[in-house]
Amino acid sequence: DSGVTQTPKHLITATGQRVTLRCSPRSGDLSVYWYQQSLDQGLQFLIQYYNGEERAKGNILERFSAQQFPDLHSELNLSSLELGDSALYFCASSVGAGASGNTIYFGEGSWLTVV
Amino acid sequence: AQSVTQLGSHVSVSEGALVLLRCNYSSSVPPYLFWYVQYPNQGLQLLLKYTTGATLVKGINGFEAEFKKSETSFHLTKPSAHMSDAAEYFCAVSTTSGYSTLTFGKGTMLLVSP
Repeated sequence: DSGVTQTPKHLITATGQRVTLRCSPRSGDLSVYWYQQSLDQGLQFLIQYYNGEERAKGNILERFSAQQFPDLHSELNLSSLELGDSALYFCASSVGAGASGNTIYFGEGSWLTVV
Repeated sequence: AQSVTQLGSHVSVSEGALVLLRCNYSSSVPPYLFWYVQYPNQGLQLLLKYTTGATLVKGINGFEAEFKKSETSFHLTKPSAHMSDAAEYFCAVSTTSGYSTLTFGKGTMLLVSP
């Protein structure tokens, strides 16, 4: 158990819909990262927050957004869903702001299936 | 920019044989390097990481990796494979400058046969 908690574990929704994925980082970790894992794209970095502020942005679509709340939990919002958004979405956390030297701990992921 | 190339999407070994998973990286600044393992239906677990110092890094479950700057490589090895090692392995890189996130390779599925 990494200490990173993600909900829901599985989600099935229809195209065009909106979903919210939730993440609670490890106790004491200030950074939260979101990654998308799909068969064709592999593991893609989406976005990072550090202590409530956006720190880095990766290959995140405009239909997707995220935020980190004062209690440090984070939500990833996916809207106007398409079939190609079906993937495993990982949340990860670390103590510091950068990956350099910090160990990043991953949750077990949220499986999203868009039908 | 940084990138990672993992040679071989699948590697098959027999139980007790040497495991060698290859990883080459590209980075414009000195890298930090990581190996993660993903068991079926689970998240990623850190196996080992190289930051500075000794270039031979030992990790959990008997795995180790050697950072070779001249070859831009960070191959993962284990002397004797166990059935429980069957999983997908990801190499990742981050940089030592600024705020850097992990960039992952495509992953290598390790298959272990009895």
